[in-house]
Amino acid sequence: GQNIDQPTEMTATEGAIVQINCTYQTSGFNGLFWYQQHAGEAPTFLSYNVLDGLEEKGRFSSFLSRSKGYSYLLLKELQMKDSASYLCAVTSFSGNNRLAFGKGNQVVVIP
Amino acid sequence: NAGVTQTPKFRILKIGQSMTLQCTQDMNHNYMYWYRQDPGMGLKLIYYSVGAGITDKGEVPNGYNVSRSTTEDFPLRLELAAPSQTSVYFCASSFTSGDGPPTDTQYFGPGTRLTVL
Repeated sequence: GQNIDQPTEMTATEGAIVQINCTYQTSGFNGLFWYQQHAGEAPTFLSYNVLDGLEEKGRFSSFLSRSKGYSYLLLKELQMKDSASYLCAVTSFSGNNRLAFGKGNQVVVIP
Repeated sequence: NAGVTQTPKFRILKIGQSMTLQCTQDMNHNYMYWYRQDPGMGLKLIYYSVGAGITDKGEVPNGYNVSRSTTEDFPLRLELAAPSQTSVYFCASSFTSGDGPPTDTQYFGPGTRLTVL
């Protein structure tokens, strides 16, 4: 099976940097996704990592270490609109390539 | 493109009633998925489909049925609604070529909020 662990909630100040961690245990790892979900809305895609290292996309970056079963999402220059839940999801051969989602990490941005 | 659309947006059912949640995508995606999301929880996969005529169970399929007669539509059927099925239901789609993993982005519909009383 797949086990994905994320901390539940964090608060940060506008303009700050926040790091959201995700650890996973799975066999046949195939890739890791990060999604953003605002309250009452559908998840939207942020990033995808399959190789070790950092992927940067504007204010958001995502890092993956396959050997450690670990990823983080880095949010820079936080804005109020970044208040949302951030979901980590893993795809693996053992899961027939379907996405397995963590519970998500709620980020609250305060002025 | 409208993307992924879902109807209805909200629904209240009585225990034992049945209903169909509709999902349509106009992006010509081959993969489609149904998830449920309970408060404070992540998404749980109910059923998925890799193409018209092909469906398979996800993590939590009990109490649900699906069909995929066309590329565009992937309805989810609840036959005997139970309070445990109170949740928000999301449909999603993606395109994957060949036999590889679904590395392409999953696009989600706006969700259906279902309450069973």
